[in-house]
Order: sequence, then structure tokens, then C-alpha cells
Amino acid sequence: QVQLVQSGAEVKKPGSSVKVSCKASGVTFSNYAVTWVRRTPGQGLEWMGGLIPFPGTTNYAQKFQGRVTITTDESTNTAYMELSSLRSEDTALYYCGSGWDLNYFDYWGQGTLVTVSS
Amino acid sequence: SYVLTQTPSVSVAPGQTARITCGGNSIGSIHVHWYQQKPGQAPVLVVYDDSDRPSGIPERFSGSNSGNTATLTITRVEAGDEADYYCQVWDSGSDHPGVVFGGGTKLTVL
Repeated sequence: QVQLVQSGAEVKKPGSSVKVSCKASGVTFSNYAVTWVRRTPGQGLEWMGGLIPFPGTTNYAQKFQGRVTITTDESTNTAYMELSSLRSEDTALYYCGSGWDLNYFDYWGQGTLVTVSS
Repeated sequence: SYVLTQTPSVSVAPGQTARITCGGNSIGSIHVHWYQQKPGQAPVLVVYDDSDRPSGIPERFSGSNSGNTATLTITRVEAGDEADYYCQVWDSGSDHPGVVFGGGTKLTVL
């Protein structure tokens, strides 16, 4: 059975960074792609970026280019999403997802609430 | 970048059929995927590659894709189907390839 378990809720100050983790069991990030998606209050799903294990490339949404970094640690089978220069508009639920590639995503984490507030 | 357009809301009585559409330029030429998201829960893939269902998804959920419109059809709608539904594609044609989601459709079961 596949499970993606994300780290807990975070409260951050504007201008700071947040790093959310996503630990997988039942799939390995050496074989499966990982993606990060967020849902802001009152809005829909928004894709942030993803990482494909072969050949280890990342794709980031243009909106987040330069502010988001997606990595994986194969030794712990954990993916990370770091978002920098946080602003209040980044307050959202952040989800990791996984699939064979970045085409679609079979498996999802439970979500991590990130609140940006002074 | 590629734009997917969804009707914000659809309402249907229990037992009836709900049709949720996703519009995009020549969307019939690319694969469309659909997710269900209930309040406070993670998205769930309900249809992939236009019309395939992941294991565990009821046959009541089906998809089609042609021309400029993809459609998710839910037959014999149940109260538990009330959720937000999102279409999604991989946009390979732009300068910045990536995943694109539609704006979402809120399905209300009357």
C-alpha cells in the first residue's frame, strides 16, 4: 500500500522560507516522479513543480520559478519542497503527489498547512 | 500557457447524471485527467488518460475527450460524490512545459 506522509503545519513570517517534507512508503522516489501542488483559501489547485527521477530533472511553474526548490533524498525516500521569500498570499494547503511521471498523479499526501503571517 | 476552463458549479439530484466539462484549445489532442477533492482531503485521481479509471474508482465515473471539450460523467450520483472536481493536463507545447489544472467545478448534490 502506497502512503505519502507530509510534515506538520507551519507558521512563518513574511520574507522567510518554509521546507515541507513528504515521506513515501510503497513507492520509491528513485522510480516515481514527485510533484507539489497547493490550494489557497477559496481557490483551486495550483501546480508548483515536480521532479522526474530519470534523468533527475525538475520542472517548475513559471509563477514559482526562482522561489521554489524540489528535491528528494533517496536514502530516506523523502521529497522536499522549499518555498522562499514567503508572503501572505502563500498561505495555503500544500500537497505532494506521485506518479510514474509528471503526466498524472496516483498518490497524494495528506496536505500541510502553511500560514504566513507577521 | 495552456488554459483549461471549467464551469464553477454543477448541481444534480441524487440518482441523476452529472456532466462536468473542461474546455481547452484542441484539448482532444492531449490526455486529460480528473481529480476529486472533498473538503479537508487530498485530491483523488478518478479518471486518467481521458477515460481510464484507477482501481477502486466506481464504474459510475467515466471520461471522454474530443475537439475542444473533455467531460467527466458521473452516473447515478450519490451524496458522497459532492466535491470539487479538477481537470488536468500536461502542457508540453509552451515555452514552459508543465502541469495545468482547470479552475475546478463544485458538484452539489441536491
